[in-house]
Amino acid sequence: AQTVTQSQPEMSVQEAETVTLSCTYDTSESDYYLFWYKQPPSRQMILVIRQEAYKQQNATENRFSVNFQKAAKSFSLKISDSQLGDAAMYFCAPFGGTYKYIFGTGTRLKVLA
Amino acid sequence: GAGVSQTPSNKVTEKGKYVELRCDPISGHTALYWYRQSLGQGPEFLIYFQGTGAADDSGLPNDRFFAVRPEGSVSTLKIQRTERGDSAVYLCASSLNGGLYTDTQYFGPGTRLTVL
Repeated sequence: AQTVTQSQPEMSVQEAETVTLSCTYDTSESDYYLFWYKQPPSRQMILVIRQEAYKQQNATENRFSVNFQKAAKSFSLKISDSQLGDAAMYFCAPFGGTYKYIFGTGTRLKVLA
Repeated sequence: GAGVSQTPSNKVTEKGKYVELRCDPISGHTALYWYRQSLGQGPEFLIYFQGTGAADDSGLPNDRFFAVRPEGSVSTLKIQRTERGDSAVYLCASSLNGGLYTDTQYFGPGTRLTVL
């Protein structure tokens, strides 16, 4: 079984600053992916970034990057140069051995102007 | 279409009524998933279709919930004798192949169901 823990219910960041959202997980799978999804008030889950567990190099997508620590089962998301449009709920999801995403409870990110 | 679409966007019904929620996946995607998101929670898996068949319906909470995908494209989630506890956002996702951890799921905007 897979479990996900997002220990920060809410985070705030000043516009243009950097923020890190944490995620820890547990899985018995050897091959898996890890995802961060963003859910703005429109409700749609939007893929932010994806990390293959077998890759040591951390994934990067423009202002978004991850710090993946496989041994510690930690998968944090760093948002640089935060923008007002980044305000949303962020969900972490490990994905492996099954087609079901297992989501954490999410972190609400507020961006202050 | 360009993305996953869901209708209606919002649905308000009375306790005991029957509702249908529709999902149009991305064209060409063989796999379709339904999730339910209660207030303050992450989405929880309900059912997974590969083509026309339900490959896994283990997440459906009880026999009041049923879903179909008769032609391998559009899917309908059906809820009988609705209860107040069914109030949630119902999310649909699709992926190209399904059943693979390499296969990214793309989500629709969801249907917010409110049972009075």
